[in-house]
Amino acid sequence: AQTVTQSQPEMSVQEAETVTLSCTYDTSESDYYLFWYKQPPSRQMILVIRQEAYKQQNATENRFSVNFQKAAKSFSLKISDSQLGDAAMYFCALSSGYSTLTFGKGTMLLVSP
Amino acid sequence: ETGVTQTPRHLVMGMTNKKSLKCEQHLGHNAMYWYKQSAKKPLELMFVYSLEERVENNSVPSRFSPECPNSSHLFLHLHTLQPEDSALYLCASSQDRWGVGEELFFGSGTQLSVL
Repeated sequence: AQTVTQSQPEMSVQEAETVTLSCTYDTSESDYYLFWYKQPPSRQMILVIRQEAYKQQNATENRFSVNFQKAAKSFSLKISDSQLGDAAMYFCALSSGYSTLTFGKGTMLLVSP
Repeated sequence: ETGVTQTPRHLVMGMTNKKSLKCEQHLGHNAMYWYKQSAKKPLELMFVYSLEERVENNSVPSRFSPECPNSSHLFLHLHTLQPEDSALYLCASSQDRWGVGEELFFGSGTQLSVL
């Protein structure tokens, strides 16, 4: 079985500042992917960033980057230069073996002007 | 229409009603999924279809009945639901079912309220 844990129900950040969302996971597989999905008020979940376990280099997508600590089974998301449009629920997710994507409970990100 | 579309956006039903949720994907994908999203809980995978064949059913009560007539359409038929079934129901699709690392593309969901 695979599990994903997000321990921060809610986080706040001011515009232009940087925020880090935490995620820990567990899997017995050696080949797996980790994801961060964003769910804005429109409710449609969108992929933010994806990391393959075999790749040591942390994934980056514009203002979004991850800190992947394989030994610690940690996968945090850093959002730089936060914008009002970043306000959303963020879900960490894991895909491994033959298991369908497993999600955490989510972290609500609030962005203030 | 592009991506994954779900209808209706909102649904209120009584415990004795029968209703259906509809999902359509315009991405040419081979796999489709139903997820249940309840407040303060992880998304729960309900059903998975691959090439119109149900390949996963995560102990979902029989009052939820999925149907996949073709690779572009997915339905969730509802009957005699309970108030605890009130939730956001999300449909998703992916290119293939077993690809590790496959991105899921989601619809905007149906917010269901059972009275």
